[in-house]
Amino acid sequence: AQSVAQPEDQVNVAEGNPLTVKCTYSVSGNPYLFWYVQYPNRGLQFLLKYITGDNLVKGSYGFEAEFNKSQTSFHLKKPSALVSDSALYFCAVRGFTDKLIFGTGTRLQVFP
Amino acid sequence: EADIYQTPRYLVIGTGKKITLECSQTMGHDKMYWYQQDPGMELHLIHYSYGVNSTEKGDLSSESTVSRIRTEHFPLTLESARPSHTSQYLCASTRTGGNEQYFGPGTRLTVT
Repeated sequence: AQSVAQPEDQVNVAEGNPLTVKCTYSVSGNPYLFWYVQYPNRGLQFLLKYITGDNLVKGSYGFEAEFNKSQTSFHLKKPSALVSDSALYFCAVRGFTDKLIFGTGTRLQVFP
Repeated sequence: EADIYQTPRYLVIGTGKKITLECSQTMGHDKMYWYQQDPGMELHLIHYSYGVNSTEKGDLSSESTVSRIRTEHFPLTLESARPSHTSQYLCASTRTGGNEQYFGPGTRLTVT
């Protein structure tokens, strides 16, 4: 079965520090992986995706993610966190059809 | 910002009422989806459609129904709302051959 795991319910980081939000996946074949962000009372916004090619994927708002096949991971990163980055982050993998399977979400809190 | 709209944004209704949540997109996407999300929690796919007159149930059982008479419109109906239906409902779409889904702002439903 295809699945994705976000092991941290919450990540706390000080503004200006680098941040990492973790995601691991389980999928048959080549994975299609995604990161979305959700601000309060809003829908999800697409941040970035990995389909093929370079393992380091750059996305919106200065975020990037590193695909690691041997560790089956797709961690989201940003070199310098902003208070405005505080939100709920979802990792997702595309299943056998084009349905997305979402992780449970990680709440990122950036402190001034 | 994706052109996908949901109305109403917030709805409070009494038990037993029939409701329809509207979702429209102006991007000409063939594929549309409905997700149910409890606040701050993971998303569960409840319905999807691959085009006009195509509807399928998702991974989470739901008492709601959907229709797809026009490409741009994918309404969700609850014939008799119950408190257990209280949740946030997110609509999404993607083009055929595309990978990422684009989400609407969501409808937060409260059934009293």
